[in-house]
Amino acid sequence: DTEVTQTPKHLVMGMTNKKSLKCEQHMGHRAMYWYKQKAKKPPELMFVYSYEKLSINESVPSRFSPECPNSSLLNLHLHALQPEDSALYLCASSQDAWGSGNTIYFGEGSWLTVV
Amino acid sequence: GIQVEQSPPDLILQEGANSTLRCNFSDSVNNLQWFHQNPWGQLINLFYIPSGTKQNGRLSATTVATERYSLLYISSSQTTDSGVYFCAVASMIKAAGNKLTFGGGTRVLVKP
Repeated sequence: DTEVTQTPKHLVMGMTNKKSLKCEQHMGHRAMYWYKQKAKKPPELMFVYSYEKLSINESVPSRFSPECPNSSLLNLHLHALQPEDSALYLCASSQDAWGSGNTIYFGEGSWLTVV
Repeated sequence: GIQVEQSPPDLILQEGANSTLRCNFSDSVNNLQWFHQNPWGQLINLFYIPSGTKQNGRLSATTVATERYSLLYISSSQTTDSGVYFCAVASMIKAAGNKLTFGGGTRVLVKP
């Protein structure tokens, strides 16, 4: 069983909606990540949080807004998305973001469809 | 940035067969992981292996860091081994953080 939990598993939203994806880990990890995966493509990094601060933003459009309320939680707020944003959104965590020896663990993902 | 190439892109196996998946990368790495993505989308961590050899049941992996490649071996394949296998690496540049870059994946189908 994964120790990174994502909700919801599936989300359908309109282009004018505001929704959020949530991620939680209880492994004491201090780095958390959001990845986006389109069909038949590898995951691509969106954001990295290290010690609850945003450390990497891979030039993601502002309609995606990450938030890290505490060391165990990571949210991704969605607003005014486009149909091409439909994808699998994967959350991950690791002990920290900068050292070697950091195995990254992924959640089961949230399947997002924008209509 | 670092480039990661996996081969073959697709692999069809008969149950019980053995196979080798390859991952080539373009720069020195301090993190290399192999993942299996199941049909429901979950990425399951198979190995953390920036160098050396590890084994876990029917799976084993070897990374030769000096030659910038890693191999994943599947022995006595089962239908449950079907899915996509990804290699992912993070470079040794500190500024990059633990930023995993994924290869294109190898899509494996094991037939009964």
